[in-house]
Amino acid sequence: AQSVTQLGSHVSVSEGALVLLRCNYSSSVPPYLFWYVQYPNQGLQLLLKYTSAATLVKGINGFEAEFKKSETSFHLTKPSAHMSDAAEYFCAVSDHGSSNTGKLIFGQGTTLQVKP
Amino acid sequence: DTAVSQTPKYLVTQMGNDKSIKCEQNLGHDTMYWYKQDSKKFLKIMFSYNNKELIINETVPNRFSPKSPDKAHLNLHINSLELGDSAVYFCASSQDKASGPLHFGNGTRLTVT
Repeated sequence: AQSVTQLGSHVSVSEGALVLLRCNYSSSVPPYLFWYVQYPNQGLQLLLKYTSAATLVKGINGFEAEFKKSETSFHLTKPSAHMSDAAEYFCAVSDHGSSNTGKLIFGQGTTLQVKP
Repeated sequence: DTAVSQTPKYLVTQMGNDKSIKCEQNLGHDTMYWYKQDSKKFLKIMFSYNNKELIINETVPNRFSPKSPDKAHLNLHINSLELGDSAVYFCASSQDKASGPLHFGNGTRLTVT
């Protein structure tokens, strides 16, 4: 069974500082991995996804994530936080094995706070 | 142009009532989903349709019934609403079933009193 663990339900950084949101996964097949952002009272927006191509994935809004198989991790980073980055972030792993239904298993989310 | 649109945005109703949430996508995608987000923001898949065919049907009470009249629409009907059904329901779509949901609607906040 697949699962995702996001370490830290709340992360607080200063504006301009590095953003690091941690995600570890468990999967019996090579995973497809996703990061989404959710702003208040809105739906989720796809930031980036990994589908077994390049291990360093660049996304929108200056975010990127690196797939590390040895560490079963897919951490999200951004070199310099902006106030507008304050939101909820979700990591997810896809069931694309034999069933290939595109079902996503989500982590519990990390709230990013950006301080001025 | 809104890619995935859901109506209504807010739904307040009493226990025992029946209600529907509608979803439409104008992206030409083949696959649509319903997700439920609880009060702790945990997201869980409920249903998925690929070209009008049901491909994911999670452990959801029979009171919940999805309907896809065409691949651009996926509606959710809920019978005999219960307090525990209160949540935010998100519709989503993707180009195909292997892609995972790429576009989400803004959600329908259902409150059952």
